Amino acid sequence: GNSVTQMEGPVTLSEEAFLTINCTYTATGYPSLFWYVQYPGEGLQLLLKATKADDKGSNKGFEATYRKETTSFHLEKGSVQVSDSAVYFCALRPGSARQLTFGSGTQLTVLP
Amino acid sequence: DTAVSQTPKYLVTQMGNDKSIKCEQNLGHDTMYWYKQDSKKFLKIMFSYNNKELIINETVPNRFSPKSPDKAHLNLHINSLELGDSAVYFCASSRDRDRDNSPLHFGNGTRLTVT
Repeated sequence: GNSVTQMEGPVTLSEEAFLTINCTYTATGYPSLFWYVQYPGEGLQLLLKATKADDKGSNKGFEATYRKETTSFHLEKGSVQVSDSAVYFCALRPGSARQLTFGSGTQLTVLP
Repeated sequence: DTAVSQTPKYLVTQMGNDKSIKCEQNLGHDTMYWYKQDSKKFLKIMFSYNNKELIINETVPNRFSPKSPDKAHLNLHINSLELGDSAVYFCASSRDRDRDNSPLHFGNGTRLTVT
């Protein structure tokens, strides 16, 4: 089956620290991979995506590279801000499936 | 303009009641979804409709019944509410023809509390 495994949170960092949130997946075929962010009290927003191996998705200083050999899509940011505090979800969409399969989410808190 | 809108934002009700959540999208998307997010933030697909046709129906109690009057609307009706139904319910939509990499657009959620 299809599944996504994310590093467990919560993660607490100081402002300007380096962020890594690990994500690995299991899927049939060649899925598209996504990172979504959920700010408090809001719905999920697409942060970035990658649709094939070695693609790098990037947005708002966040990056993730689709690594087929390690079935990973780790999220990174070089210098986090307080406003990055949110829950981050890794997700995949395998082949022609319509729905996304989500990881369990990682709560990030950035302290000033 | 709100792309995917859900109402109500909050819903507090007693066990045994019947309630509905409405969802509308103005993105022209073909496919709509209902996801349930539990207290640990875990998201699970419940239903999906494509052009008013049910295409995904996960293992969800029969008390939950989705209805799609047209491709811009997907409502969720819940009968005989139970304590375990308390969660945040998210509606989402996507464009079907770019299925492989088309992201889902989410509403802001409906927080259901059953007392």
